[in-house]
Amino acid sequence: RKEVEQDPGPFNVPEGATVAFNCTYSNSASQSFFWYRQDCRKEPKLLMSVYSSGNEDGRFTAQLNRASQYISLLIRDSKLSDSATYLCVVNKGSGGYNKLIFGAGTRLAVHP
Amino acid sequence: NAGVTQTPKFRVLKTGQSMTLLCAQDMNHEYMYWYRQDPGMGLRLIHYSVGEGTTAKGEVPDGYNVSRLKKQNFLLGLESAAPSQTSVYFCASSYVGTGEQPQHFGDGTRLSIL
Repeated sequence: RKEVEQDPGPFNVPEGATVAFNCTYSNSASQSFFWYRQDCRKEPKLLMSVYSSGNEDGRFTAQLNRASQYISLLIRDSKLSDSATYLCVVNKGSGGYNKLIFGAGTRLAVHP
Repeated sequence: NAGVTQTPKFRVLKTGQSMTLLCAQDMNHEYMYWYRQDPGMGLRLIHYSVGEGTTAKGEVPDGYNVSRLKKQNFLLGLESAAPSQTSVYFCASSYVGTGEQPQHFGDGTRLSIL
């Protein structure tokens, strides 16, 4: 079983739609959680951290469910520019070392 | 505002050849990392460094070596390239290793081994 699992998609949605991605992780001791965005043939970039209480950044909402070990990302009012692959990332963190475990990503395609 | 710079951007090698990938960061970060990304898989950590003069193995270190002689540079070496090492390689850096600071990535090196 992969340490971080995501539905690869693609999710094909029209502009203005609301779309949600889920991600599950296997290590119950994980402490930090992130969503990164990766555009085609580009480097990953941090989209947002995920906090226990849930957090929002504009049209993006991230939630964490520690009991079920899953993380979600909700995108409201999708834009064409949201088309990308979204990587779920979990930090195992031991001894001060920031070890990130990356999911394989969920591809989102927003169409006119 | 360079951030993390990787060279080269593209390279084609023949099996058995050697090469070095260079990563340079200008953010005074302590931690640096080398990942590889293959289709259908998440980024996998090859080697990492928690400071100048230190290196450690990651998840998939076989066939690679690294050096961190200067804080700002992290080199990844392939001594005898194999087709299985065809991949996109990303370097990243972070200020601390606590997990609260994001990793900053270079724009990748696309390496093909024939």
